[in-house]
Amino acid sequence: AQSVTQLDSQVPVFEEAPVELRCNYSSSVSVYLFWYVQYPNQGLQLLLKYLSGSTLVKGINGFEAEFNKSQTSFHLRKPSVHISDTAEYFCAVSGINAGNMLTFGGGTRLMVKP
Amino acid sequence: DGGITQSPKYLFRKEGQNVTLSCEQNLNHDAMYWYRQDPGQGLRLIYYSQIVNDFQKGDIAEGYSVSREKKESFPLTVTSAQKNPTAFYLCASSLMTSPSYEQYFGPGTRLTVT
Repeated sequence: AQSVTQLDSQVPVFEEAPVELRCNYSSSVSVYLFWYVQYPNQGLQLLLKYLSGSTLVKGINGFEAEFNKSQTSFHLRKPSVHISDTAEYFCAVSGINAGNMLTFGGGTRLMVKP
Repeated sequence: DGGITQSPKYLFRKEGQNVTLSCEQNLNHDAMYWYRQDPGQGLRLIYYSQIVNDFQKGDIAEGYSVSREKKESFPLTVTSAQKNPTAFYLCASSLMTSPSYEQYFGPGTRLTVT
């Protein structure tokens, strides 16, 4: 079984500042990792995913994430945020033996202030 | 355009009534899922189906029922046995054979029971 911990429930940041949203996971098998974004009253949209290969993954809207196997982390970063990035962000993991079954973290609310 | 539709977007019911939430996908995905989202609790899996006429309980199946008579459709019934039905409900789908396994989400249905 897998578990995901998003260490910050809320992250306030000023516009144009950099941001990092933290995600740690636990698993007894190799994993696939995902970051999703949810705007208010909407479904989830995939930002990026790590399946294999390069540990630095680039996604949509200027976001990137780095897979660190030794620290079991998959932190999401953006060098300069915009007001429009205000949303809830979810980290998710699946074991490679059950790739379609995702376990989600509790979410991090990113609040970008002008 | 391919995607997942959920209807209605907002649903109001009186306590003691059963209610059915619709989920349809035209992505030709094999697997479909229902999640419940409460503030600060992330996404919790209610039911999932990996093939027509078969479905499995997720983490919080009590008080819910589903059917999968067609590949495209996976309706969720919230029964009167569900003690706290007011929540945001999300439907998702994914492939079973692709290595990517990412789940695609619908826009959600917000159910309010009074």
